This record gives sequence, structure tokens and C-alpha cells, in this order.
Amino acid sequence: AQRVTQPEKLLSVFKGAPVELKCNYSYSGSPELFWYVQYSRQRLQLLLRHISRESIKGFTADLNKGETSFHLKKPFAQEEDSAMYYCALNTGNQFYFGTGTSLTVIP
Amino acid sequence: EAQVTQNPRYLITVTGKKLTVTCSQNMNHEYMSWYRQDPGLGLRQIYYSMNVEVTDKGDVPEGYKVSRKEKRNFPLILESPSPNQTSLYFCASSLTGAQYTGELFFGEGSRLTVL
Repeated sequence: AQRVTQPEKLLSVFKGAPVELKCNYSYSGSPELFWYVQYSRQRLQLLLRHISRESIKGFTADLNKGETSFHLKKPFAQEEDSAMYYCALNTGNQFYFGTGTSLTVIP
Repeated sequence: EAQVTQNPRYLITVTGKKLTVTCSQNMNHEYMSWYRQDPGLGLRQIYYSMNVEVTDKGDVPEGYKVSRKEKRNFPLILESPSPNQTSLYFCASSLTGAQYTGELFFGEGSRLTVL
């Protein structure tokens, strides 16, 4: 059963525009959710985690248990935000990743 | 430098020829895991290990084996590779227990082609 869904494979926005990358999850327990990012020619790396409720590089993500969502948002996109973004769920010992969203910020 | 190292980075092999992809981390992490990344399917977990001599199946373990004889190493073994195992493979590690943060540290990936 697919546990993490990222409905957008590709997303393009103009520089300075708001951006939202969607993530929905399916898990009966208490979810632990993350956003990972892979910039061109770099390793996959953690962007942020829901438990820390922090803003990283201007990105935030709020866990909505009612809607089982963990959407990633940034009010003003920058060119350097162009990358592949993965939403991930940790169920204890196992990590489940979404299929990823490729974000392109158009200058 | 703290990192996860995978070898080889690129490999082309033929069906049935056993191969091993090595993974080593120098961060004293207890947890290690393997993923395969395929177009349209994202990253799927193959196997994971909570510590030395403790391994368990992930979502797609068929056709793969792993071992964890030392804390730093977690090799992925394909005993008889088949073309459907052509993929990009990632190894990752993290802390557990009291130091757990949930952050996975990834290797650079190993691109495997099975002809």
C-alpha cells in the first residue's frame, strides 16, 4: 500500500512566486514526516522534519493529521530552490518515500 | 569528513553474475538501509539494519541479500542479478536511540545496469 503520495511530478513557478509541494500520507500510527531535497549533482539531504517545526531556507511544512498531509511551502521561490523534493514517512524502522516532485523556479 | 560511501558508483553487468555493492559510513551510526530509485516510483526500501547482526526486509527485498557484520559496513548483494534490478541504488545511515533525529545520511548512489 502506498504510504506517501506526492501528486505532482513536475512543478514550475516563477521566481518570487509562492510555491507549495503537496504530500499526503497513509499511516495508522503516529507519523514522523520529513522533506528531503536533492539538488543537482548533490546527495539527497534532509530539508526539514515535522517535529522540529522549523523553517529551513524559507521552507515550512505543517503536519495536518486530519487531512493526513504534510505540504511544503515557501512564500517567495528562489532560483536556487530548483531541485527534486521527496516527502518521507518514518514508521519506526522503515522509511517510505514519495515519488518526488521536481521543482523548477523560472527566473 | 563524515559521510556514507558507496562502491561502485557505476556498474554494467550481465544476468546471473553475482555482484556486491558496498556501503560504508564513518559516523558510528547504528541504522543503515538500502533503497532503489526508479522513475515514477521514487525511493523504495530494500533492506535495513538496526545494528550489527540485525537486518530486516524493507518493501522490495526480493532478489537481494544484505549482511551487517561490522557497524560501519552494510553491503548489498545481488546473487543472480536480473534486468529488472537495473536501477539507481542508495545507501543511507542514521543514529538511533537517545541520539535519534530521524535524519538519514545518504551515499551518492550506485547506478547498476543488468543486461
